Amino acid sequence: ETGVTQTPRHLVMGMTNKKSLKCEQHLGHNAMYWYKQSAKKPLELMFVYSLEERVENNSVPSRFSPECPNSSHLFLHLHTLQPEDSALYLCASSQDWSSGLITGELFFGEGSRLTVL
Amino acid sequence: GDSVTQMEGPVTLSEEACLTINCTYTATGYPSLFWYVQYPGEGLQLLLKATKADDKGSNKGFEATYRKETTSFHLEKGSVQVSDSAVYFCALSDRWANQAGTALIFGKGTTLSVSS
Repeated sequence: ETGVTQTPRHLVMGMTNKKSLKCEQHLGHNAMYWYKQSAKKPLELMFVYSLEERVENNSVPSRFSPECPNSSHLFLHLHTLQPEDSALYLCASSQDWSSGLITGELFFGEGSRLTVL
Repeated sequence: GDSVTQMEGPVTLSEEACLTINCTYTATGYPSLFWYVQYPGEGLQLLLKATKADDKGSNKGFEATYRKETTSFHLEKGSVQVSDSAVYFCALSDRWANQAGTALIFGKGTTLSVSS
């Protein structure tokens, strides 16, 4: 099993749909992250969870709703998205939140490519 | 706030050419600096890091030196290979800044394409 697994790899949805992105990590880490990767823009941090508690919400629109039921799983629920939300959504994990800041060792999944029509 | 600026790509090189990808940063505290690499179809991977001024990070033939006086962390490699073709991201972590909940701050990424 790879360290961080994201599903689905590709998702096409209409603006009225509701869908979810899933991330699972098999590394025994305590911190998980959602980043948004858009062309020609820096990676944008969306959410950080540490021990299943949200520690960061980077002014993300409410149409994105994260869920972290346990330290191994992270979801991003999507509803009434806009075409500009089309991007690659990356999940990452680190041993814990503070060590992630110090060591910089985040482990990323391959991403979910989202297209909003 | 903290930020990272990378040179615009794409960078196109022939095999065995020298590589430099420029990265400068703005930080309020004493950041650690990182380079990540994203190969086609894969997630980002940590390539190298430096945690204080004058430190040199190195891995897989790549090097970068933390220059506090110029606030830079340029990525270099003396002889690139086709397999180095990827997107390279400079990032920082300013754990001493007064920003609760901070995670890594990334640049836009620089695409490197190496041809044989």
